Amino acid sequence: GQQLNQSPQSMFIQEGEDVSMNCTSSSIFNTWLWYKQDPGEGPVLLIALYKAGELTSNGRLTAQFGITRKDSFLNISASIPSDVGIYFCAGANSKLTFGKGITLSVRP
Amino acid sequence: NAGVTQTPKFQVLKTGQSMTLQCAQDMNHNSMYWYRQDPGMGLRLIYYSASEGTTDKGEVPNGYNVSRLNKREFSLRLESAAPSQTSVYFCASRINSNEKLFFGSGTQLSVL
Repeated sequence: GQQLNQSPQSMFIQEGEDVSMNCTSSSIFNTWLWYKQDPGEGPVLLIALYKAGELTSNGRLTAQFGITRKDSFLNISASIPSDVGIYFCAGANSKLTFGKGITLSVRP
Repeated sequence: NAGVTQTPKFQVLKTGQSMTLQCAQDMNHNSMYWYRQDPGMGLRLIYYSASEGTTDKGEVPNGYNVSRLNKREFSLRLESAAPSQTSVYFCASRINSNEKLFFGSGTQLSVL
């Protein structure tokens, strides 16, 4: 079946640093989505990408839909403590496939 | 605008007990989904309903049943709970395939 690879499982950065997360797959997707999950809450959509090569920003977040349609990345610039959480990528065709998530910790 | 609402927020069951997790969305979405989330496993699809009147198995359907009661509501039932079903359960919905998925806040279930 379709699988998405997100690694590493955890990332630790200093407040103010930029961080980049990749998501790769052996399958092609029509849509790429990035979610963030805070403790005790459901995942919340950060950015949706619909076209190969598309680069989209949402505040300090930037995400790109890979040209091959098999990957995507999310960049967070000038991190702040409230950026901590689990970041999931998801690829969508008729169904949605999720990566296992990256837990981000930000040291003040 | 409430979005996706799940009840209950927390539940503890004994092995063998049954219960139904409720989910409702007020966004007029066609598709609804049930996921479970376990440490290190990410989000795994249990069942989904692409449209009112249809339901299909996902990746981990064993031990669960679902009902798409109407366009708004999609319930998940555990007929005989097992400790392996201890997890956090999320309901989600979206308007159609290839579109954004919106999640509820989750139900934390413990089966003793």
